[in-house]
Amino acid sequence: GAGVSQSPSNKVTEKGKDVELRCDPISGHTALYWYRQSLGQGLEFLIYFQGNSAPDKSGLPSDRFSAERTGGSVSTLTIQRTQQEDSAVYLCASSLDSSLAGEQFFGPGTRLTVL
Amino acid sequence: LAKTTQPISMDSYEGQEVNITCSHNNIATNDYITWYQQFPSQGPRFIIQGYKTKVTNEVASLFIPADRKSSTLSLPRVSLSDTAVYYCLVGVYSGGGADGLTFGKGTHLIIQP
Repeated sequence: GAGVSQSPSNKVTEKGKDVELRCDPISGHTALYWYRQSLGQGLEFLIYFQGNSAPDKSGLPSDRFSAERTGGSVSTLTIQRTQQEDSAVYLCASSLDSSLAGEQFFGPGTRLTVL
Repeated sequence: LAKTTQPISMDSYEGQEVNITCSHNNIATNDYITWYQQFPSQGPRFIIQGYKTKVTNEVASLFIPADRKSSTLSLPRVSLSDTAVYYCLVGVYSGGGADGLTFGKGTHLIIQP
């Protein structure tokens, strides 16, 4: 069956530009998560959605980062005025139900490079 | 937040049993313990989850002592393909938010022939 998909797989942009990263979760999964992974580092939690609402935005690194989810499905992570330190792999995951620390299914990630 | 501490790296050989321990001293009552495996250029993959005592599935076992301040992932008879980074995740998703989604830096397990 279809897993979590993310697009684009790679994105190269110039400092100061805005970027949008897309995540298509597994159909029927109510919870969706965004993480960031810098080279050789662990996963840094960014934001989590339950349905279309985001109860926890505490992980967003700055106000340049925002995310939305529509129709309880697709989510977009937007980074405005990108900086070189934003370069990382952005991973999306989804799970059936967030109430019991359910198993997260991860996408392949989007590798963002800010020049 | 329930922070976790794991060894940065471990080495072992094919056919051996490997145990990776994660410390989580300030684990909360509602927190679950979950382990994920990550290969290069891939997203993490769920291995096993537990709350207390012992959990076993087809790929691993998870041992959690009574005080729940640590947990041990046990991989029986490892093979070269088990070389990966293993993350211990402690947290719970309460009705209001995602508390403690802290993956940490993980343990890089290297299996040699």
